[in-house]
Amino acid sequence: QKEVEQDPGPLSVPEGAIVSLNCTYSNSAFQYFMWYRQYSRKGPELLMYTYSSGNKEDGRFTAQVDKSSKYISLFIRDSQPSDSATYLCAFYSGGSNYKLTFGKGTLLTVNP
Amino acid sequence: DAGVTQSPTHLIKTRGQQVTLRCSPISGHKSVSWYQQVLGQGPQFIFQYYEKEERGRGNFPDRFSARQFPNYSSELNVNALLLGDSALYLCASSPPSGGTTNEKLFFGSGTQLSVL
Repeated sequence: QKEVEQDPGPLSVPEGAIVSLNCTYSNSAFQYFMWYRQYSRKGPELLMYTYSSGNKEDGRFTAQVDKSSKYISLFIRDSQPSDSATYLCAFYSGGSNYKLTFGKGTLLTVNP
Repeated sequence: DAGVTQSPTHLIKTRGQQVTLRCSPISGHKSVSWYQQVLGQGPQFIFQYYEKEERGRGNFPDRFSARQFPNYSSELNVNALLLGDSALYLCASSPPSGGTTNEKLFFGSGTQLSVL
């Protein structure tokens, strides 16, 4: 079983749609859950960061973590063409483990 | 404020050559991490340095090495390049928070390395 699973898409939606992006993970040691956005030819940019199970909202973005199911989601409301990018889930266990573990990324296109 | 800066932006090398990539973290950040991102994949952890000491190493061969300088900038060296080393190499820094913290990484735009 892979440590992180993320559907690579591609996902294409019309402007204004609600987008749902998901990742599953198998490592129970993961304590921090993140979503990064990566535009073409750019480095990843931190969008959302959560520590525990539950929901976290920031503007049009909502991150959801279900540690019991080992499942995280990112919802984008009122999607805009500028949201077109690759979205990467990332996980961190903390402590002496210094690495982030990323999913493969989901390519999202929002059509005007 | 300047973000994480990396140089060069693009690089073309041939198999067997050596390459050095450079990174300057955000001002005030003391931790630098290096990641390799192959096309269509998520970034893979290579190294983390904090206060000039190696704090973590990913599953990469000894051909990969790095160091951090007193001004917190960093270099990644790759020897005996292979075709499979072709990738986007990302540098990230993280803000100080009572020690090394990785949950908030700020990435540079990367160096695109092509090995022919």
